[in-house]
Amino acid sequence: QVQLVQSGAEVKKPGASVKVSCKASGYTFTGYYMHWVRQAPGQGLEWMGWLNPNTGGTNYAQKFEGRVTMTRDTSISTAYMELSRLRFDDTAVYYCAKDRKGDYLFDSWGQGTLVTVSS
Amino acid sequence: EIVLTQSPGTLSLSPGERVTLSCRASQSVSNSYLAWYHQKPGQAPRLLIHGASSRATGIPDRFSGSGSGTDFTLTISRLEPEDFAVYYCQQYDSSPLTFGGGTKVEIK
Repeated sequence: QVQLVQSGAEVKKPGASVKVSCKASGYTFTGYYMHWVRQAPGQGLEWMGWLNPNTGGTNYAQKFEGRVTMTRDTSISTAYMELSRLRFDDTAVYYCAKDRKGDYLFDSWGQGTLVTVSS
Repeated sequence: EIVLTQSPGTLSLSPGERVTLSCRASQSVSNSYLAWYHQKPGQAPRLLIHGASSRATGIPDRFSGSGSGTDFTLTISRLEPEDFAVYYCQQYDSSPLTFGGGTKVEIK
């Protein structure tokens, strides 16, 4: 069965960077886009962008352009999301989510990684 | 960017009741590329409905979706205890992909 296992919680200072990993299993990693979605405490869902694990191609939401970088290591079926120049309002749970079949729907999700930005 | 507005914000209901949730888009969603998810506390969201009315794999038939253009609806025919959660709509017609603000269905 599909599993997405994310790295653990992080605490970062404003201005720092954070890199979250998402290890995939149970399917062909390079066959499906991987999305990143975040959720601030008590708030709704916000899409950040997608990564094509096959080519390394990316598409970022304009809001995060210049601050987010999505990469992958196909040898270990792992996707990464790095967010730089962190601000207090970047405090959120960050999820990786597998694309269903190239249609920008999310059919499997990681367990989430809490990133706290605090001075 | 397509803005999705969900209503109401919160619904207080009892098990067995019928519930209807609304999602309105700021512009027409082509091809009914509108999905619904629910999220229980401490869990990741789960895909329920795609294409406005198609149930995702493993979703029981008490969940149904309808609508087109700018107005979409999710209906749960009889609430089960496990259905109390937050429900989000999502459009996948255009980038950026966007979600509604959510409707919380809580136990009365």
